Amino acid sequence: GENVEQHPSTLSVQEGDSAVIKCTYSDSASNYFPWYKQELGKGPQLIIDIRSNVGEKKDQRIAVTLNKTAKHFSLHITETQPEDSAVYFCAASAASGGSYIPTFGRGTSLIVHP
Amino acid sequence: DTAVSQTPKYLVTQMGNDKSIKCEQNLGHDTMYWYKQDSKKFLKIMFSYNNKELIINETVPNRFSPKSPDKAHLNLHINSLELGDSAVYFCASSQYTGTANYGYTFGSGTRLTVV
Repeated sequence: GENVEQHPSTLSVQEGDSAVIKCTYSDSASNYFPWYKQELGKGPQLIIDIRSNVGEKKDQRIAVTLNKTAKHFSLHITETQPEDSAVYFCAASAASGGSYIPTFGRGTSLIVHP
Repeated sequence: DTAVSQTPKYLVTQMGNDKSIKCEQNLGHDTMYWYKQDSKKFLKIMFSYNNKELIINETVPNRFSPKSPDKAHLNLHINSLELGDSAVYFCASSQYTGTANYGYTFGSGTRLTVV
């Protein structure tokens, strides 16, 4: 089955700095990679996703990159703000040939200091 | 509002009791899930229900039983509750076409405390 590793488990940055969270996956059939943000007391919320036919996707201050050959993908947050503080999860799944049920990373707690 | 709604938000109960958590989605999605989030925030799949096919995670005790009266509802019934069942349970839904995956919409969670 799929195995997703996520690093770091905790990331502390100053407001305005950039933050990068990295994930690796094991199943070459995986082709869909979403990222979720979970604020305290809430459910995870999809913030950005990428499919295996593209290498990079941006949405304002967040971007995701995918390297299919190396089987890793990363979340980049620029100009961090205190409201970016949350737990971030990466995930991987396959539309066919693998499991459509995503395997989640273990989460990264991002703390942005004002 | 379009959403995944689950009730109750908090549930405190004694060991040995039976309880249910309800989930409803009005997004028109065809797949629903139950996840358990432990104290370390790890999200663990429990069940997936897609087009009348129930996929059970083999590590889930059979005290847990999902019930789906229709595509928009997936409830979770738990028998003989144990201390180790204490966790936050999330319902989620997504669209799965067989050729493409899409992201989940999660509910706000049910914090279950067994005393």
